[in-house]
Amino acid sequence: DAGVIQSPRHEVTEMGQEVTLRCKPISGHNSLFWYRQTMMRGLELLIYFNNNVPIDDSGMPEDRFSAKMPNASFSTLKIQPSEPRDSAVYFCASTWPGLMNTEAFFGQGTRLTVV
Amino acid sequence: GNSVTQMEGPVTLSEEAFLTINCTYTATGYPSLFWYVQYPGEGLQLLLKATKADDKGSNKGFEATYRKETTSFHLEKGSVQVSDSAVYFCALSPLQGAQKLVFGQGTRLTINP
Repeated sequence: DAGVIQSPRHEVTEMGQEVTLRCKPISGHNSLFWYRQTMMRGLELLIYFNNNVPIDDSGMPEDRFSAKMPNASFSTLKIQPSEPRDSAVYFCASTWPGLMNTEAFFGQGTRLTVV
Repeated sequence: GNSVTQMEGPVTLSEEAFLTINCTYTATGYPSLFWYVQYPGEGLQLLLKATKADDKGSNKGFEATYRKETTSFHLEKGSVQVSDSAVYFCALSPLQGAQKLVFGQGTRLTINP
């Protein structure tokens, strides 16, 4: 398996533009997580899905952020409109839920720069 | 609430030195505990884990013991290598398993030859 695949790896956009980040989880995993990493705040969980259903979006910073998971193999995180303070590395992770599962698999991240 | 506190970095050591990175946690119930490592330009990878009190996780020469009495999960390695240079994250999951991980702030480790 190729692991969790995120695209793009790098994104530079102008303030006010819409940005869409994409994630393909590992096949068979049915939990998916979006994290944001910044120097100031570290790693923050934004939202997670079980079986394509959003379970907890309490970490989504504001209404400009939205996430979808239309099927088991694809998820998007959208920021509209983007602002410079959204600049960060965004990670997607997937895992198989269950009592014995103890590992989340992370993608390589998307480095977003909003200028 | 659930939280994880790690020793602040950066940490710089010479090759073959002994490493300790402290981690303490606050959680209700019986969380699972993890150490993840992030190499430059990459995502996080699981380094080791422990799911109940007194469990010892180990991998690649690293060890950490789940201490419920001190709510700690300190990472140790007896002899570090240059290739161990990375950022290390302590994390907990409030449920058994890897759901909704709560991460510490990370500790940057640099090993000099």
